[in-house]
Amino acid sequence: AQKITQTQPGMFVQEKEAVTLDCTYDTSDPSYGLFWYKQPSSGEMIFLIYQGSYDQQNATEGRYSLNFQKARKSANLVISASQLGDSAMYFCAMREGPYGGATNKLIFGTGTLLAVQP
Amino acid sequence: GAVVSQHPSRVICKSGTSVKIECRSLDFQATTMFWYRQFPKQSLMLMATSNEGSKATYEQGVEKDKFLINHASLTLSTLTVTSAHPEDSSFYICSATISGRASLQFFGPGTRLTVL
Repeated sequence: AQKITQTQPGMFVQEKEAVTLDCTYDTSDPSYGLFWYKQPSSGEMIFLIYQGSYDQQNATEGRYSLNFQKARKSANLVISASQLGDSAMYFCAMREGPYGGATNKLIFGTGTLLAVQP
Repeated sequence: GAVVSQHPSRVICKSGTSVKIECRSLDFQATTMFWYRQFPKQSLMLMATSNEGSKATYEQGVEKDKFLINHASLTLSTLTVTSAHPEDSSFYICSATISGRASLQFFGPGTRLTVL
């Protein structure tokens, strides 16, 4: 069963507007972590933001925020004030098990290709 | 900080040859390193988890005799694709976790392997 689902293969957004990239997950583990990574055409994976399952508040990192809705098992990424340099592939990923636990494996979604238009 | 390098960034080889890819943590000691494979327009698929001084743990369906992993030190892991074939052509990415920050993976820039 797919554990991380990104239903948007591609998205367009106008420069300076906000965009939301969807991510839903499935796990029976009460402790887990959710990550978003950006992959530009160069191929490197750039860490953007992290949300722990027990975190009370939604994570924010500059222009990135994570809309964490635990009951709905969703962890959408919101990018505010889009820039041309935000054009890239975006991957949602999940770690099952507690932070710092023995198993640190990440399961990745299929990604969303974001294109920022001038 | 937390920089991971990979070498080479791009390699082209003949079918039947072996290729070694290095993954180094430059400014930290990596307790665990991971090797991923990414086909064009697809997601990252974990191949194996590598801990320094012990045998790698391979994911289901990954041939351990074909993809040899050696984690010789806390800053270096190598992936050797043995007897490479065209279907092994892919983007290989490593990541490393820092001792004490076990969940956050720092990724290398990737190695694009093309087998002719």
